[in-house]
Amino acid sequence: EAQVTQNPRYLITVTGKKLTVTCSQNMNHEYMSWYRQDPGLGLRQIYYSMNVEVTDKGDVPEGYKVSRKEKRNFPLILESPSPNQTSLYFCASSLWGGPRGNQPQHFGDGTRLSIL
Amino acid sequence: ELKVEQNPLFLSMQEGKNYTIYCNYSTTSDRLYWYRQDPGKSLESLFVLLSNGAVKQEGRLMASLDTKARLSTLHITAAVHDLSATYFCAVGSISNFGNEKLTFGTGTRLTIIP
Repeated sequence: EAQVTQNPRYLITVTGKKLTVTCSQNMNHEYMSWYRQDPGLGLRQIYYSMNVEVTDKGDVPEGYKVSRKEKRNFPLILESPSPNQTSLYFCASSLWGGPRGNQPQHFGDGTRLSIL
Repeated sequence: ELKVEQNPLFLSMQEGKNYTIYCNYSTTSDRLYWYRQDPGKSLESLFVLLSNGAVKQEGRLMASLDTKARLSTLHITAAVHDLSATYFCAVGSISNFGNEKLTFGTGTRLTIIP
């Protein structure tokens, strides 16, 4: 089954304790992206990746890191989490992401992070 | 900076009625997407609109795009309870690196009342 898998689905942690949210897709998609969803703000893009080793900042990249060492994986890293990073996070992927694009993104089920 | 505004933010409507959700955006783009999100769930793609005048229909939902007016609409015909969800529009813009960045609207929470 074609899917985008995020882990964990829920996490409660404390300020400053490094954490990683994993994202994996099995559709051989080139384009992957991370979003955070906050009430009243919709979804905001954190980082995106056109392909392996190619990443770019979205609208709200501060406090986050990403890497794309393999095509299928795009982990989101919070080196020193703070309470303002408490949010619902979604990973998404699509076949292309650019002028060749025009493909809708496939979203994972979301990861709810609470930073105390 | 691209801004995307959706109206209304909340919408309660009776079953059987028609209504329209509006999505306005601030800079030129010919790539617009509509998504649906059920409570506690992920986002599901509904429509991809890629040119001025594009119209797509699926069941009781119809989406259109006017790139000159920078406006997309999502029209609901004869609403049924199953359409209760939050609907998002997203506008695509191409970065300097040739990647597509998506900017989402804040969403419209639609509640269909029997």
